[in-house]
Amino acid sequence: SQQGEEDPQALSIQEGENATMNCSYKTSINNLQWYRQNSGRGLVHLILIRSNEREKHSGRLRVTLDTSKKSSSLLITASRAADTASYFCATGTGNQFYFGTGTSLTVIP
Amino acid sequence: GAVVSQHPSRVICKSGTSVKIECRSLDFQATTMFWYRQFPKQSLMLMATSNEGSKATYEQGVEKDKFLINHASLTLSTLTVTSAHPEDSSFYICSAPIAGGYYEQYFGPGTRLTVT
Repeated sequence: SQQGEEDPQALSIQEGENATMNCSYKTSINNLQWYRQNSGRGLVHLILIRSNEREKHSGRLRVTLDTSKKSSSLLITASRAADTASYFCATGTGNQFYFGTGTSLTVIP
Repeated sequence: GAVVSQHPSRVICKSGTSVKIECRSLDFQATTMFWYRQFPKQSLMLMATSNEGSKATYEQGVEKDKFLINHASLTLSTLTVTSAHPEDSSFYICSAPIAGGYYEQYFGPGTRLTVT
């Protein structure tokens, strides 16, 4: 299976704390993307990191990519209750994406 | 605003019936669209690639006769779940590549299918 794996599966933190999620994948990739999904809703694209990039920032988000370890991490700083959602990484060599198992983040106000 | 729409957003049907789900790209053309399914509290699984003007490409383990895909125009792909069973109950999501984007895609809001 090309599906990635994420850990932790569930994460609960207090508002204001940082949240870190990890994603491991199995095959070679061109890029890796992170998405969030509120319960029962569609996906929202957060950030894309290319295979030749090591780190990328977007607002309170910081993504790292280690292609030698086939892993990526998503850091959300100064978390807010509104960040409560499921977060997925997705990898692909083209337009076909394979999603990780996801991390369910709960930010407690 | 949404650039990929899906219709219906929710559908309930009886076992044995067929259900059609539409995925439309708004204000842009998509020669390729993708269909995913997601079971509760699980990840998205790619089902198939919908190709305008040609047959869809299905992922391993996905029955093409069960999940009929038609990409009739550059802005519309349809997924028909034939002879639906309760185990087909799931969240179905489509996506379309962003023109000129680096493998970035717009995702539709999803369709919740419940088969009773």
